[in-house]
Amino acid sequence: KNEVEQSPQNLTAQEGEFITINCSYSVGISALHWLQQHPGGGIVSLFMLSSGKKKHGRLIATINIQEKHSSLHITASHPRDSAVYICAVSLRGSGSRLTFGEGTQLTVNP
Amino acid sequence: DGGITQSPKYLFRKEGQNVTLSCEQNLNHDAMYWYRQDPGQGLRLIYYSQIVNDFQKGDIAEGYSVSREKKESFPLTVTSAQKNPTAFYLCASSPWGQGAAYGYTFGSGTRLTVV
Repeated sequence: KNEVEQSPQNLTAQEGEFITINCSYSVGISALHWLQQHPGGGIVSLFMLSSGKKKHGRLIATINIQEKHSSLHITASHPRDSAVYICAVSLRGSGSRLTFGEGTQLTVNP
Repeated sequence: DGGITQSPKYLFRKEGQNVTLSCEQNLNHDAMYWYRQDPGQGLRLIYYSQIVNDFQKGDIAEGYSVSREKKESFPLTVTSAQKNPTAFYLCASSPWGQGAAYGYTFGSGTRLTVV
């Protein structure tokens, strides 16, 4: 079993829909990251969370430390949001190394 | 602007040849990392370095080698011993220690294909 599990693996939505991507982890962490990877391959960091909730534009990330669960929400989705969204965690005691989920491929159709 | 530069973006290699992927950062980060990505799988750590002249094996180090002679540079060599080298390779950097999570930065990646 992976230490970081994401769901769903693939998600197709219509423009304007509200989108949720989930991430569960099984070990103690010091931080959780949400990352975005576009078709060219480069990765951009969206959020880093250790508790609570963060918002940036139409993106919202939440984390529940007790339940070892995080969600990434996209409001009013747009085709340009189409990308792979990756959850990654800094495991407690592993310094700065990250452990990654497999990613969620999001496609938003116009 | 500070960032990480990976080169080349695409690389083709003949079987049996070694090839070196470049990664340079001007963020003054202590730590640098190499990850490999295969279709349908999460990124996996190949090697990482916390400080100049020191590096550690990650989860899939076999068939790879690295050096860290300068803080800014962390080149990855894919050797002929790597049985399945075709993949997407991503370099990253961060501060080391408690503040690391706040400064994680990724390169744009190198897609290596063995022909």
